[in-house]
Amino acid sequence: AQSVAQPEDQVNVAEGNPLTVKCTYSVSGNPYLFWYVQYPNRGLQFLLKYITGDNLVKGSYGFEAEFNKSQTSFHLKKPSALVSDSALYFCAVRAALSSARQLTFGSGTQLTVLP
Amino acid sequence: GAVVSQHPSWVICKSGTSVKIECRSLDFQATTMFWYRQFPKQSLMLMATSNEGSKATYEQGVEKDKFLINHASLTLSTLTVTSAHPEDSSFYICSVPRQGQAYEQYFGPGTRLTVT
Repeated sequence: AQSVAQPEDQVNVAEGNPLTVKCTYSVSGNPYLFWYVQYPNRGLQFLLKYITGDNLVKGSYGFEAEFNKSQTSFHLKKPSALVSDSALYFCAVRAALSSARQLTFGSGTQLTVLP
Repeated sequence: GAVVSQHPSWVICKSGTSVKIECRSLDFQATTMFWYRQFPKQSLMLMATSNEGSKATYEQGVEKDKFLINHASLTLSTLTVTSAHPEDSSFYICSVPRQGQAYEQYFGPGTRLTVT
């Protein structure tokens, strides 16, 4: 069975500082990895994905994530946080050979950027 | 702009009544749509896969007679919560796999259901 762990329920960071939201995964075979962001009472917005190729993936709003196969991690990062980045972030994974319905989400990390 | 819409965005109903939630793919045809449920401060749990032209596929533990899914067209799927109870109160989100690749999903804005 595949799984995603987001070890931090809450991450607080000061505006202008770098931020990291952690994600580790477990899946059979090669993974497809995703980050989504959710604002209050809204659906999920796609940020970025790793399918294959370069381990460093750049996405929307200045976010990036690095795929680390040996550590089975896909941490989300941003060099300089904005107050508007405050939201709930979900990491998700599915096996490359699985169907789209088999996307497993982490429990989410609430990011708060303090002015 | 939005790729997937949901209607209504929020609804309050009384116990025992039924509520229909619509999910529309605005930019492309979707033979498959997914319905998720999200409890406060929790992750998304897949409820079912809506299939155009055939029956929906329900995840283990989801009552198909309670959560009726109809994929009416290539752009519309509906979720009807029948005989709703307070424990059905939740945030329901639909998604559409990216056309042609299914690498990522486009999510609707969600529907907040409150059953009183």
